[in-house]
Amino acid sequence: EDKVVQSPLSLVVHEGDTVTLNCSYEVTNFRSLLWYKQEKKAPTFLFMLTSSGIEKKSGRLSSILDKKELFSILNITATQTGDSAIYLCAVERYGGATNKLIFGTGTLLAVQP
Amino acid sequence: NAGVTQTPKFQVLKTGQSMTLQCAQDMNHNSMYWYRQDPGMGLRLIYYSASEGTTDKGEVPNGYNVSRLNKREFSLRLESAAPSQTSVYFCATGDRGRSQPQHFGDGTRLSIL
Repeated sequence: EDKVVQSPLSLVVHEGDTVTLNCSYEVTNFRSLLWYKQEKKAPTFLFMLTSSGIEKKSGRLSSILDKKELFSILNITATQTGDSAIYLCAVERYGGATNKLIFGTGTLLAVQP
Repeated sequence: NAGVTQTPKFQVLKTGQSMTLQCAQDMNHNSMYWYRQDPGMGLRLIYYSASEGTTDKGEVPNGYNVSRLNKREFSLRLESAAPSQTSVYFCATGDRGRSQPQHFGDGTRLSIL
């Protein structure tokens, strides 16, 4: 059975801290791994990773994929209160007429001033 | 503005009532999806439509029906609502051919009493 596991489930940090969020997966027909940020409403796209070892970076956020060990990490440096959100990891698998996403349960990040 | 629009944003139903959740997109994506999000469960796929005129079951389809009205619109119907269907429902669009990540609407918060 396909599964995506995120850790930790939640964490609380102070502004300026660096955090690392983890995502491990066991999914057949892997195509890509995606990270989303969810505040009050819609999950918003952060990164799509398809190749091992290539870091993707956007401002203070970065992510990398290890397809051999089947995991990804999302790093946030110099955290701000605006980074408080649920971070969702999803694995896209090939399947029939369309590709499907399998989501982890998310990591709830709270950044305190 | 390009995006995915869901209506209504909130709804309270009594057990046994029926209702339809609407989703419309102007991103010209071929595929559309319905998810539900419950605490501790992540997002789970209910139904999807790979392209106009096709629909298929996802992970948790029981108690739901869908209609892909045209390329833009994909509706989700609860024929006889049950308290277990209390959840936040998200519509998403995607396009495998263009390697685009799935893009989500703002969600419908549904409570069934």
